[in-house]
Amino acid sequence: QKEVEQDPGPLSVPEGAIVSLNCTYSNSAFQYFMWYRQYSRKGPELLMYTYSSGNKEDGRFTAQVDKSSKYISLFIRDSQPSDSATYLCAMRLTGANSKLTFGKGITLSVRP
Amino acid sequence: ETGVTQTPRHLVMGMTNKKSLKCEQHLGHNAMYWYKQSAKKPLELMFVYNFKEQTENNSVPSRFSPECPNSSHLFLHLHTLQPEDSALYLCASSQPGDTDTQYFGPGTRLTVL
Repeated sequence: QKEVEQDPGPLSVPEGAIVSLNCTYSNSAFQYFMWYRQYSRKGPELLMYTYSSGNKEDGRFTAQVDKSSKYISLFIRDSQPSDSATYLCAMRLTGANSKLTFGKGITLSVRP
Repeated sequence: ETGVTQTPRHLVMGMTNKKSLKCEQHLGHNAMYWYKQSAKKPLELMFVYNFKEQTENNSVPSRFSPECPNSSHLFLHLHTLQPEDSALYLCASSQPGDTDTQYFGPGTRLTVL
């Protein structure tokens, strides 16, 4: 079983839709969970960062971590064409110098 | 310049060439990373440097040779590459600590002919 599984997509939605992106993982010791957004021809940029379980909201974005199910989600409300990008989930153990483990990424297209 | 910069942005090389990728971070961080990003694969960590010392080599072939002369600069020297090495090479930096958030550069798109 891969450490981090992410739906391969691609995903296409109309403008204004609610988008749900998900990742599952196998290592119950992961404590830090991140979502990166990567536009075409750019490097990944950190979008959301969560420690342990719970929800975190930032504008139209909500990150959710369910450690009991080893499942994380990113919700995008009122999606915009500018949200069209590849979304990567990443996670790591606690402690300095622990490396990030990434999902494969899912490409989202928001149609005007 | 701000953030993490990488040069060149695009590189085409033959299998017998030698070239170098450069990364510079302007964030005052002490950890730097090289990643390889290929289509339909997760980001693959290649090398990690903490305070200029290499702390991770993720079983990378010797045709890739990293160099970290100081905490702000990171190089990846390339020689006798294979076509399967064609990918986006990303540099990242972070400040070692418990949160250790990584910030990425725009990448170098490498094509090996």
